[in-house]
Amino acid sequence: DAGVTQSPTHLIKTRGQQVTLRCSPKSGHDTVSWYQQALGQGPQFIFQYYEEEERQRGNFPDRFSGHQFPNYSSELNVNALLLGDSALYLCASSLEAGGVTDTQYFGPGTRLTVL
Amino acid sequence: GIQVEQSPPDLILQEGANSTLRCNFSDSVNNLQWFHQNPWGQLINLFYIPSGTKQNGRLSATTVATERYSLLYISSSQTTDSGVYFCAVPKAYNTDKLIFGTGTRLQVFP
Repeated sequence: DAGVTQSPTHLIKTRGQQVTLRCSPKSGHDTVSWYQQALGQGPQFIFQYYEEEERQRGNFPDRFSGHQFPNYSSELNVNALLLGDSALYLCASSLEAGGVTDTQYFGPGTRLTVL
Repeated sequence: GIQVEQSPPDLILQEGANSTLRCNFSDSVNNLQWFHQNPWGQLINLFYIPSGTKQNGRLSATTVATERYSLLYISSSQTTDSGVYFCAVPKAYNTDKLIFGTGTRLQVFP
């Protein structure tokens, strides 16, 4: 049973550049959430995708955008990178069950460094 | 919004010792998860425990929803237990948006 996978594992970018991170959910899951974890802090919710639409969003600027594909995989895009965007980006998947919250499973993360 | 606080913030143990980690939350929740984040950043699910008690090997967890707290017990700790332990609750009912606690950093020495 394949778990949540993310790519790439590490990424180095410079300020002003754009980046795309990818996530494949756990087998059988249809909902993908993205989190940002700065060093020494807990993960912060960015947004969630279900049925190829953004369903919920945290307190992140429009520079953060995403997409979900028909196979439930997802991308996180960040434009105009800032030094403060350096963090571990985590993807979590879950199964939508009639609006009832379900266990979320996390991928290994992508560590983004902005120079 | 809902606040989630964990204690203690740091814990240092010798192998074989037992410990209790606490998670307090400021509002009613219908879901609570405990995670272990290993030194490589991987968040590993430990428990999905909105109420009651669950056990998995050397770990067990208890959530008292009416009093808004959860406890994670680690018995006979091992060096591989080192890392950061997070509890997380949904921002509101019927939402998957998780609010993470402040974390407890555990170091287990041989």
